[in-house]
Parts: sequence; structure tokens; C-alpha cells
Amino acid sequence: AQKITQTQPGMFVQEKEAVTLDCTYDTSDQSYGLFWYKQPSSGEMIFLIYQGSYDEQNATEGRYSLNFQKARKSANLVISASQLGDSAMYFCAMREAGSYNTDKLIFGTGTRLQVFP
Amino acid sequence: DTEVTQTPKHLVMGMTNKKSLKCEQHMGHRAMYWYKQKAKKPPELMFVYSYEKLSINESVPSRFSPECPNSSLLNLHLHALQPEDSALYLCASSQAQGLEETQYFGPGTRLLVL
Repeated sequence: AQKITQTQPGMFVQEKEAVTLDCTYDTSDQSYGLFWYKQPSSGEMIFLIYQGSYDEQNATEGRYSLNFQKARKSANLVISASQLGDSAMYFCAMREAGSYNTDKLIFGTGTRLQVFP
Repeated sequence: DTEVTQTPKHLVMGMTNKKSLKCEQHMGHRAMYWYKQKAKKPPELMFVYSYEKLSINESVPSRFSPECPNSSLLNLHLHALQPEDSALYLCASSQAQGLEETQYFGPGTRLLVL
């Protein structure tokens, strides 16, 4: 069963506007971690932001914030004041607790964001 | 500094060749990972090393052979690959394995098997 769902294959946003990238997840664990990564066309996966399942506050990192709604199992990424350099593929990922040394990072299918002037 | 380096950046090899991909980090991380990523798909986990011991092998074919010579280095030895193995190979590292541990990725090696 797919554990991370990103329903937006592509999104467009105008420069300086805010954009929300959707991510829903499925887990029966109480303990898990949620991550967002950015992948430009160069290929490198760049870590953006982390949210722990027990964190009561939404995570923020500069222009990035994570809208965490635990009951709805959603972890949407909000990018404020979009820049042309934000054009990239964005992956939501989840890490579940497993037995010792076996927990894995599971990725969604990604959303391609294009920022236009 | 959260830098993971990978060499080479690009690699073209024939199906009978033997080659190796190299990954290095100097952040004192004790967990290192290999991922394979096909075009327009998310990364797929291949191997995990924790404290220089193989902790996860995601049923990867034996033509891929990982090696962790020390805590900073991770190699992926390639032998008798198939054209379908052409992909972006990403290395990552984290402080340790664990829910809160962020994985930091290298720039990847783009592999083409002819």
C-alpha cells in the first residue's frame, strides 16, 4: 500500500507568490518523521524541512513551512515568496520506526513546481 | 557543513565492464545509503550501512555489490550490468539510523549502461 501520496504531479506559481504542495501519508505508527526534499534538474536531493510526529508546532525553515495536520495525516509544504530558483521536483518522505536499524525513508511520487516571472 | 560527495558525476559502461561508484562524507555520520532513481520516479533504497555494517539490502541483484571500507566512505561496485540499470545513483548519509535523522544526499552519479 502506498504510504506517501502527492496528488499534484505539477504546479505553477508566479514569482513572489506563495504555493502549497500537498502530501498525505498513511501509517499506524505513533512515532514517525516527515521530510521534504527538493530536487533540481541537476539531480541532487536537497533537504528542506523536517516534522516529527510529536512536534506540536509546525516546522519552519526560512521561506519553507510545513502545515502539519496530524488527524488528517497531511504534511503540506508551503513556500512563501517563490523565486525562479524554486523550480524543481519536490518530494515528501516519511520515516517510520522499524526494528533496530531497519527503519526506512519512503518517498512520494513528487510534485514538479515551475515558477514563472 | 552537510556535504556528501560522489564520483564520478557521469559514467558510461558496457554490460561486460566492472566499475565502481564512490561516496564520501566527513560529517561523522554513521549511517550511509545507496539509492537508485529512474527518470521521473522517486528514489528507491538499495542498501543501508550502519556503523560500517550492512543493515538493509533491498533484494538488490548481486551485480551490485556495496562496500563500506570505513565510516566516511561508501562504494558501489558494478559488474555485468543491464541497460535497465541505467539511472541516477544517489548516496546519502545521516548521523545514525532513526526517525529524526535527516539524510543528506550527494549530487549523484548518472549511469548509462550500453
